Amino acid sequence: AQRVTQPEKLLSVFKGAPVELKCNYSYSGSPELFWYVQYSRQRLQLLLRHISRESIKGFTADLNKGETSFHLKKPFAQEEDSAMYYCALSRKTSGSRLTFGEGTQLTVNP
Amino acid sequence: EAGVTQFPSHSVIEKGQTVTLRCDPISGHDNLYWYRRVMGKEIKFLLHFVKESKQDESGMPNNRFLAERTGGTYSTLKVQPAELEDSGVYFCASSQDWGDYGYTFGSGTRLTVV
Repeated sequence: AQRVTQPEKLLSVFKGAPVELKCNYSYSGSPELFWYVQYSRQRLQLLLRHISRESIKGFTADLNKGETSFHLKKPFAQEEDSAMYYCALSRKTSGSRLTFGEGTQLTVNP
Repeated sequence: EAGVTQFPSHSVIEKGQTVTLRCDPISGHDNLYWYRRVMGKEIKFLLHFVKESKQDESGMPNNRFLAERTGGTYSTLKVQPAELEDSGVYFCASSQDWGDYGYTFGSGTRLTVV
């Protein structure tokens, strides 16, 4: 069975500092990985997906199959980045079902 | 376009009672999903509708949970009878295409069973 682990429940950084939210997964096949974000009083929304290899709001994430990781990074954190971040995995064979990690609450301090 | 609407936003019920949650997806979205987050743990998949058919209901925890999607429009999730461990936030999401992971999520229903 697939599993997603986000080792940090809470992460606090200062504005302008680099930030990295860790995500590790276990799955024997070829997964698709995603990052979802939930800002305060807003809905859960897709931030980025590994297949698109794009940068959204300055965030990037690289799939490392050797280390089974999909860490989310941003070189200079902003206060508006404060939110709950969820890493999620999907088996390509199972359609649209997602397996989420427990989430990391990021706080960017001024 | 209108987003995914869920109601109620909060519900507090006693153990043993019945609760029905409702989700209105974005118009035209054939795919509708239910997820829940229990006790601060990870968000877990419950089931997936394609139009009115249950495509995948393998995440439903037990037979106290019943989901329906009449006419392929809105969906309801009924818990009967509710237990303490059912407390959590129930999310609904919809998408237009099969395999489109850019779901639009609803704001969730916070269920508290006392």
